[in-house]
Formats: sequence, C-alpha cells, structure tokens
Amino acid sequence: AQSVTQPDIHITVSEGASLELRCNYSYGATPYLFWYVQSPGQGLQLLLKYFSGDTLVQGIKGFEAEFKRSQSSFNLRKPSVHWSDAAEYFCAVNNNAGNMLTFGGGTRLMVKP
Amino acid sequence: GAVVSQHPSWVICKSGTSVKIECRSLDFQATTMFWYRQFPKQSLMLMATSNEGSKATYEQGVEKDKFLINHASLTLSTLTVTSAHPEDSSFYICSARDPVAGTSYEQYFGPGTRLTVT
Repeated sequence: AQSVTQPDIHITVSEGASLELRCNYSYGATPYLFWYVQSPGQGLQLLLKYFSGDTLVQGIKGFEAEFKRSQSSFNLRKPSVHWSDAAEYFCAVNNNAGNMLTFGGGTRLMVKP
Repeated sequence: GAVVSQHPSWVICKSGTSVKIECRSLDFQATTMFWYRQFPKQSLMLMATSNEGSKATYEQGVEKDKFLINHASLTLSTLTVTSAHPEDSSFYICSARDPVAGTSYEQYFGPGTRLTVT
C-alpha cells in the first residue's frame, strides 16, 4: 500500500528565509507526486506535480520540488518565503491508475515577520 | 480550466436530519469524482470514489448507508449525510479527474464544505 510521511507537523520560518518541507513516500512503482497548499477553511491548490522526466520540478508561487528516488523523497523548497505563504502544505502520491491519492499528514507553515 | 465547485460552502444542521452536498465540475466532464473528509488540523481522508452511472466505492470504515453518494451526471456528484450527528461535523472536500486532459492522474479539488451538526 502506498503511504506518505511528512515528518514536520509545524515549521516556523522568518519572512525572507529559505524553506524546505520534507515528504517521504512509500510506493512500489514509479509514483506520481504532488504538493498542495491549503489556506484556512479553503480547498486545496496544486503547487506542483511530478510524473516523469526532470526530477526538479517548478511550481507556482516560486516553489520547486525535487524527486529523489533513492531517498523516496519529494521535498518542497522555496528560496525566500513570503508572509502569504503561511498555510498548510500537503504532499500526496497517486498510483498509476490515478484512482488513489494518498495524502501525508500535512505541515503547517508559520511565517514570522 | 478544470474548476470544481461545491455547494454549499458551509451548512449547519440539527442532529438527526440529512444534508446534501453538491460537487460540480464546471468546465469539464468528470467520470470519476472523489469525496474526502478532513477533521480540524488533520489531513484529508478519502471516503469514497464516485463513478458516473455506477455505485460508489467506499473506503474501509466508511458507512455507505450513512454517506450516500450519487454521481448521476458527468458534471455532478452529491454526498448526502443521513441522520447526521455531531461527530459528522467536518470539512468535506470533493475532487474530480478530467480524463480528457493531458493527464488523468491529477485531481482538481473543490473549495470544501464545512458541515456543523448541532
């Protein structure tokens, strides 16, 4: 069975500092990986996705993520965090049939002024 | 493109009553829609997969007689919480796949519906 682990429940960074949110997955075949962001009381917005090809993927809002098969990781990064980035971030993996999207527990990002 | 809406965005109902939540794909036809439940400060848990024209597939532990799902058209799926109880209070989110788009692996999410049962 596929699973996703986000080791950090909460992260606090200063505005302008760099950010890395960790995501580890467990899946037998080539995974399809996603990062979503959720503001309070809102739905999910897709930040970026990885299906194949270049292991460094660029997303919206200045985010990027790197797929590392050897580490079963898909960490999300941003070089300079803005106060508006404060939200909940979810990593997710989908099987290649597209029917089962499994989410990690989420990481709540807080940004200090 | 690929917009999914939900209605209502929030609802309050009394214990014992039923409430229906709609999920619509606005600019594409979705043969498959998904219903998730999210408790405060927790992740999304898949409740069921809704396929147009057939019965929904429920995840283990989800009561199909309590959470009725109907996917009667390619753009609409409904979730009815029957005989609601306070423990059913949660944030319900739907998503849909666009089988015609470049990839069918991506799900497009609705804005969610906050259900409070008093």
